[in-house]
This record gives sequence, structure tokens and C-alpha cells, in this order.
Amino acid sequence: DAGVTQSPTHLIKTRGQQVTLRCSPKSGHDTVSWYQQALGQGPQFIFQYYEEEERQRGNFPDRFSGHQFPNYSSELNVNALLLGDSALYLCASSHAGTGGSEGYFGEGSWLTVV
Amino acid sequence: AQRVTQPEKLLSVFKGAPVELKCNYSYSGSPELFWYVQYSRQRLQLLLRHISRESIKGFTADLNKGETSFHLKKPFAQEEDSAMYYCALPFSGGYNKLIFGAGTRLAVHP
Repeated sequence: DAGVTQSPTHLIKTRGQQVTLRCSPKSGHDTVSWYQQALGQGPQFIFQYYEEEERQRGNFPDRFSGHQFPNYSSELNVNALLLGDSALYLCASSHAGTGGSEGYFGEGSWLTVV
Repeated sequence: AQRVTQPEKLLSVFKGAPVELKCNYSYSGSPELFWYVQYSRQRLQLLLRHISRESIKGFTADLNKGETSFHLKKPFAQEEDSAMYYCALPFSGGYNKLIFGAGTRLAVHP
């Protein structure tokens, strides 16, 4: 079992550009949540996808959007990048039916905006 | 509003000393609380959840609803316990939607 996998691991973008980050959930999981972790901070919940729909959203602007595919993998898109978007982006997966609130995390994608 | 507070950014102890990592929360209702750990260059992983009442790697945590606290404790720290520790609770209920504290770095010295 590969667990939760994320790509790319590191990337550098220019302010104003757009970025897409990808996540493959742990085998058997159907729910994917995305988090942003700025340096020195704990992860902040961005949104969650289940059954290919955004189910809940944290306090993030519409520049942050996502998608879930039929195979449960997910993408996070960020438009009009700002310097403040530089962070580690984490994906966590879980299975809605097992009652597990905790999620299993990937290693994250480091985004640097210059 | 739901909130998790970890007042210490860094906790530095010697090997064999007791450890207590503090976590206070704000939540209406009965919370489900977690401790996560992140070792150097590894992914964030669940250490323990209060409803299971397990002891993992010698760590325990008791939910104190009166003090709204969920402190993580270990009687004798080991060097391999050095890591970042995050306390978390669910965001508006539901699964895999967590509010994290800012984290505490535990440094255990030989």
C-alpha cells in the first residue's frame, strides 16, 4: 500500500501564475482533504472532496479550487498566486464509512512563490 | 469558534525527564481530539486519539472537559521522541476535517 501520494514534491512559481497540485489517496479511501501549512504554523483546512464534490471549505478565497476524479484522486488549484501562498500543501485521505476523523497524510507539496 | 491552542512553541527536556505538551481547545459540544506527530523529514501521522484511550509509544493524553485541555504526557522522554507535535480537533464535525494547533517542538537532549 503506497499510502497517500502527492506530486510534485517541490515547485517554484511566479506571483500571478497558477498552480495545480495532485493527490492520490490511500487505497480504499474515498475522501480527500487539503491543508495549507505555512512555515512555523499548523496545517489549515482548505477544503474536502467526497463523491467528486466539495463538501466543506475552510477560510480560503475562491482562488483556491479543487477537483476529485472518479478514482478518488484529487487536484488543488490555486490561481493568481500571491507571495503569501508559499507553504507546504498537504493532502489527507480517509474513508467516509469507517467513522475515522483523523485522515492519513501525504508528505506534501512545497510551493514557493517568488 | 473552534480553536486549538498550543502555548509552547518549544519544549526542551533531558532524556528520562517527564514531558507534558499542553493543548487547550475551544469547542461547543463533545469534542474528539487528536495528537499528531511529525518526525524529521517524515509525514504527519496520528499519534493518538482520545476516544481510544490508548498509550502509544508511552504517550497518553486525557481529555479534561472542565479545563478544556488535552495535554500529552510521557513519564520518561526518549531522544527518539524529538519531533513536532500537533493537537487537533474536527472542523464542524465530520471526517478528515481538522483544526490544528500551531504545534510544539519537543527536543529531548541526551
